[in-house]
Amino acid sequence: EVQLVESGGGLVQPGGSLRLSCAASGLSFSDYWMNWVRQAPGKGLEWVANIKRDGSEKEYVNSVKGRFTISRDNAKNSLYLQMNSLRPEDTAVYYCARDPSTGDPTWHFDLWGRGTLVTVSS
Amino acid sequence: DIQMTQSPSSLSASVGERVTITCRASQTISNYLSWYQQKPGKAPKLLIYLASSLHSGVPSSFSGSGSGTDFTLTISSLQPEDFATYYCQQSYSPPLTFGQGTKVEIK
Repeated sequence: EVQLVESGGGLVQPGGSLRLSCAASGLSFSDYWMNWVRQAPGKGLEWVANIKRDGSEKEYVNSVKGRFTISRDNAKNSLYLQMNSLRPEDTAVYYCARDPSTGDPTWHFDLWGRGTLVTVSS
Repeated sequence: DIQMTQSPSSLSASVGERVTITCRASQTISNYLSWYQQKPGKAPKLLIYLASSLHSGVPSSFSGSGSGTDFTLTISSLQPEDFATYYCQQSYSPPLTFGQGTKVEIK
């Protein structure tokens, strides 16, 4: 079965750090651009970051630049999001999501994980 | 950044009704527009990409149209399983942005 499974969420104090993971199975992980998308409680979807197949290109939404780092380990079929200097407004469910193209990115998402909840609060 | 605006924010409809949701981009995005369905507590699901291409496994009751700045998602005959929140997303260029969502509720 093709799936993405996120982990690593939890409660963290403002200014703290957390590392999210996304384990991919049933797909050739290294063939795809990957993304993180988040959703604050009761709110809409917000794209956070993406990373090229080999990790050589990365992009971020402005609100997380300099604080979050996306990375991947293709040997482990895993995607990561290192989150530093966390703020209450970073509280959200974080989803990993696949870009369906094995060539140039399409910038849409055909496969999503179930998400992991990050709560930033004192 | 490209802003995406959906209307309405919510709507009530009956089973069997035709439903239309609109999405407007703040600048032209050609046909680089996707639609997603999300049910409470679940991850979003891709319905439509490139404005009008139906994703694999999505019922043909869903259709998309539009280009430039104005787009439409249509559900030709609303089914009980279609009650959900729908989001548009521009796939023209990063930062990738979503509309605020349209909640479709049972009348």
